[in-house]
Amino acid sequence: GNSVTQMEGPVTLSEEAFLTINCTYTATGYPSLFWYVQYPGEGLQLLLKATKADDKGSNKGFEATYRKETTSFHLEKGSVQVSDSAVYFCALHDSNYQLIWGAGTKLIIKP
Amino acid sequence: DTGVSQNPRHKITKRGQNVTFRCDPISEHNRLYWYRQTLGQGPEFLTYFQNEAQLEKSRLLSDRFSAERPKGSFSTLEIQRTEQGDSAMYLCASSLTSGRRTDTQYFGPGTRLTVL
Repeated sequence: GNSVTQMEGPVTLSEEAFLTINCTYTATGYPSLFWYVQYPGEGLQLLLKATKADDKGSNKGFEATYRKETTSFHLEKGSVQVSDSAVYFCALHDSNYQLIWGAGTKLIIKP
Repeated sequence: DTGVSQNPRHKITKRGQNVTFRCDPISEHNRLYWYRQTLGQGPEFLTYFQNEAQLEKSRLLSDRFSAERPKGSFSTLEIQRTEQGDSAMYLCASSLTSGRRTDTQYFGPGTRLTVL
């Protein structure tokens, strides 16, 4: 079946460091891929998405590229801020358009 | 604000009581989803509606759980005879589906249920 695997957290970085959170997936066909973010005490917010191979999603300085050959959708940001501290979820749409989620990666940014 | 809204935001109840949550989706969205999220985990799918029709239910949804979307707009999720294991964040999301294309799911803030 379809599945999403994310790197385990927490990931702790200093402000202005480079961020990568790995996400790989298993799916039939060509699912849409998503990154959602959950700030402390808040609901899930869509961060970015990509709907086909080689698409790059970007938002708020974050980027992720849909890599079909490696079945990956890694999240990157060049210079993180304290305000980026949150839990990040990678997800895909399955054939019924239900979201299949990774377990989430907690990101802690220290000033 | 035209985002997804959920009420109440927090609910504390005693074991054995019934609780009902409400979700108001984005107005033009025809699909509505319910998820459950426990601490440190990703959301788990519970059920979804297309307009007023409930199209799929997860096997996680025991017979104590029921969801409705009577007019294809807002939805309610009821849990009967609550158990401590029902304590979780209940999330609602909505999306627009047209033909074979489904747009992104947008989430509400969630209802946090605590069963004592």
